[in-house]
Amino acid sequence: DAGVTQSPTHLIKTRGQQVTLRCSPKSGHDTVSWYQQALGQGPQFIFQYYEEEERQRGNFPDRFSGHQFPNYSSELNVNALLLGDSALYLCASSLNPGLALGQYFGPGTRLTVT
Amino acid sequence: GENVEQHPSTLSVQEGDSAVIKCTYSDSASNYFPWYKQELGKRPQLIIDIRSNVGEKKDQRIAVTLNKTAKHFSLHITETQPEDSAVYFCAAVPEGGAQKLVFGQGTRLTINP
Repeated sequence: DAGVTQSPTHLIKTRGQQVTLRCSPKSGHDTVSWYQQALGQGPQFIFQYYEEEERQRGNFPDRFSGHQFPNYSSELNVNALLLGDSALYLCASSLNPGLALGQYFGPGTRLTVT
Repeated sequence: GENVEQHPSTLSVQEGDSAVIKCTYSDSASNYFPWYKQELGKRPQLIIDIRSNVGEKKDQRIAVTLNKTAKHFSLHITETQPEDSAVYFCAAVPEGGAQKLVFGQGTRLTINP
């Protein structure tokens, strides 16, 4: 039973560039959430995808966008990168609907913006 | 929106002693409270969770208690071991369709041998 996977593991980008991060959910899960974790802080919710649509969004600018594919995998895109976008980006998968049954995190993508 | 406060930010205990981490939340409609353990450079791992209709839940050396009236919940680790050293995060899920996790700031737990 495969857990949540993410790619790439690490990424270094320059200010102003664009980046795409990828996530495959745990087998049997259909909902993907993305979180940003700055160093020394708790993860911050970016948005969640279910049935290929953005279901809820956190307090992040439109530079952050996403997509979910029919196989439930998901992408996070960040445009016009800023130094402050440097963080660990975590993907979490879960099963919808009903009460939250626990979100399971992937290993994350460490993004460094220089 | 929901806000979760977590204390203490750092905690150091002797091996074999107990550790307690406390969290308070602001949204009385929140209905699910998971705890995550994150070791250095690794993903957050779900270690225990509790729903709003339950007051206490145990899993071996780990227990979580919930006081809905006071809007706080706590993680209790007994007979601590060196491998319990990590950062622990509490979280709350506000009522609503999306399973959005709102995290506390984290507690760095160090177990001293």
